[in-house]
Amino acid sequence: EDKVVQSPLSLVVHEGDTVTLNCSYEVTNFRSLLWYKQEKKAPTFLFMLTSSGIEKKSGRLSSILDKKELFSILNITATQTGDSAIYLCAVYTSGSRLTFGEGTQLTVNP
Amino acid sequence: DSGVTQTPKHLITATGQRVTLRCSPRSGDLSVYWYQQSLDQGLQFLIQYYNGEERAKGNILERFSAQQFPDLHSELNLSSLELGDSALYFCASSVNGAMGYGYTFGSGTRLTVV
Repeated sequence: EDKVVQSPLSLVVHEGDTVTLNCSYEVTNFRSLLWYKQEKKAPTFLFMLTSSGIEKKSGRLSSILDKKELFSILNITATQTGDSAIYLCAVYTSGSRLTFGEGTQLTVNP
Repeated sequence: DSGVTQTPKHLITATGQRVTLRCSPRSGDLSVYWYQQSLDQGLQFLIQYYNGEERAKGNILERFSAQQFPDLHSELNLSSLELGDSALYFCASSVNGAMGYGYTFGSGTRLTVV
């Protein structure tokens, strides 16, 4: 059975801190790994990673995939209160479904 | 607005009842996915439809069923509801369902079974 594990499950930091969120996976037929941000309702797409070692970057957020060690990290630098959300990692495998991890609840305090 | 429309936004119903959740995918998207998000289980894949046909099935209970209509909207039917069915139900859509290019999620339907 495909499995995605995120850590930590929750994290509280102060504005300006840098955070690293972890995602490890055990799946058959890996195709890509995706990161989502979930605030109040719908998860919103952040990154899709398919190739190992290539960093994806968007503003203060960046992510990288290690296909040999089967994990990904999501970095957020200079955190702001608006970064408070649940960050979801998901792996796309054959059969077109996404298997999600439990998510990391990030709280950024002023 | 993501372009994926789910109705209703909130639903409160009693145990044993049946409800229907509706999803209209983003314009041009042929594939619809249903996910359940409970407090203790994260996002769980239920079922996928592509252009009217069932494409993949996840951990969907026998009491639940879904379909996708010719106009591509989809409905998720939940019957004989139990307290444990209380959750956020998300619909997502994608263009072809085969490449996983970051689904677009709807805002969800929050179901409360009392």
